[in-house]
Amino acid sequence: GESVGLHLPTLSVQEGDNSIINCAYSNSASDYFIWYKQESGKGPQFIIDIRSNMDKRQGQRVTVLLNKTVKHLSLQIAATQPGDSAVYFCAESNFGNEKLTFGTGTRLTIIP
Amino acid sequence: GAVVSQHPSWVICKSGTSVKIECRSLDFQATTMFWYRQFPKQSLMLMATSNEGSKATYEQGVEKDKFLINHASLTLSTLTVTSAHPEDSSFYICSARVPTGKAFFGQGTRLTVV
Repeated sequence: GESVGLHLPTLSVQEGDNSIINCAYSNSASDYFIWYKQESGKGPQFIIDIRSNMDKRQGQRVTVLLNKTVKHLSLQIAATQPGDSAVYFCAESNFGNEKLTFGTGTRLTIIP
Repeated sequence: GAVVSQHPSWVICKSGTSVKIECRSLDFQATTMFWYRQFPKQSLMLMATSNEGSKATYEQGVEKDKFLINHASLTLSTLTVTSAHPEDSSFYICSARVPTGKAFFGQGTRLTVV
């Protein structure tokens, strides 16, 4: 079936360094991708999104890269801070279908 | 940004009772809302799509008679877990998408059935 998956379940990064979280998706029809941050006991928090007509989008300290050729999505967080420690999920959908399919999640731990 | 509010944040109920969870879009109208369930250390699994003014659409394997969904207005959807059992204990989260496509989530509801 269709799925969105992550290569690494856990990632530890030194505070101040950059982090990269990866995601692979299998549905070639997907044209909209979102990264969410989820802290313990809370709902997912929107970080950044990207449509399939783009290959890069930047936000504040975050960048999402989309490689449609290999169906790969990544989230780069620059100058990581302790508050960045959380579980990060990628999600995908296709235009006209509002449902989101979530990846398995990566736990990011920022080491002080 | 858009806000989705969920209530209650946590609830403990006895086995066999029913629990209602509310999901509200506070600053936008949502004709469609989504209900997810999340078990510890797992991802979010879509349970059902709540449609304003019509029946909800349930994902495969989700019992519609157990998880009753009502979307009576453009800003409110409710999920009722009927005859709850300990295996229904989970984190339930709702979401709604604004017209631009972004999906926002509620704070989640921790349900514990004892």
